[in-house]
Amino acid sequence: RKEVEQDPGPFNVPEGATVAFNCTYSNSASQSFFWYRQDCRKEPKLLMSVYSSGNEDGRFTAQLNRASQYISLLIRDSKLSDSATYLCVVNWGSQGNLIFGKGTKLSVKP
Amino acid sequence: EAGVTQFPSHSVIEKGQTVTLRCDPISGHDNLYWYRRVMGKEIKFLLHFVKESKQDESGMPNNRFLAERTGGTYSTLKVQPAELEDSGVYFCASSQTGSGNTIYFGEGSWLTVV
Repeated sequence: RKEVEQDPGPFNVPEGATVAFNCTYSNSASQSFFWYRQDCRKEPKLLMSVYSSGNEDGRFTAQLNRASQYISLLIRDSKLSDSATYLCVVNWGSQGNLIFGKGTKLSVKP
Repeated sequence: EAGVTQFPSHSVIEKGQTVTLRCDPISGHDNLYWYRRVMGKEIKFLLHFVKESKQDESGMPNNRFLAERTGGTYSTLKVQPAELEDSGVYFCASSQTGSGNTIYFGEGSWLTVV
């Protein structure tokens, strides 16, 4: 079983749509959870951390379910600029030893 | 403020040759990390420096890879001798001291071994 699993997509959605990404992780001792965004041939950039109580940042909402070892990201009112690969990332070991999923590709069309 | 910078951005070398990748972290960041993504795989952690000390090198694939951070500033990652399966993108990242600080990535060094 992979350490962090994501649906690879691609998700092709029209502008304005709501899209949800899911992620599962294998290690119940995981301590920190993140969503990163990566544009084509660019570096990963932190989109948001994910907290147990769930958190929201504008059009983006992240949820964590520790019992199910499941993380989600919801994007509302999709913009063309949201097109990217979204990486689910967890940390259970030493600081900075981030475990990445392979990413889910999102393409937002006009 | 300059971000994490990496050099070279692209490199094509022959199997058996040596390549050295350089990373300059964000100024003042004591933590420096190396990651890589090989074709079709996820990004994988290689190692973590705190200043000049190796904090965690559990992700280094084998002894053909040598990372250094003399003086605690920039870091180098040398691959010697390079093999075909080493092709991929090598990311460097840095963060400030303390837990919970954002890790910032460089744009990566793309390595192709032919």
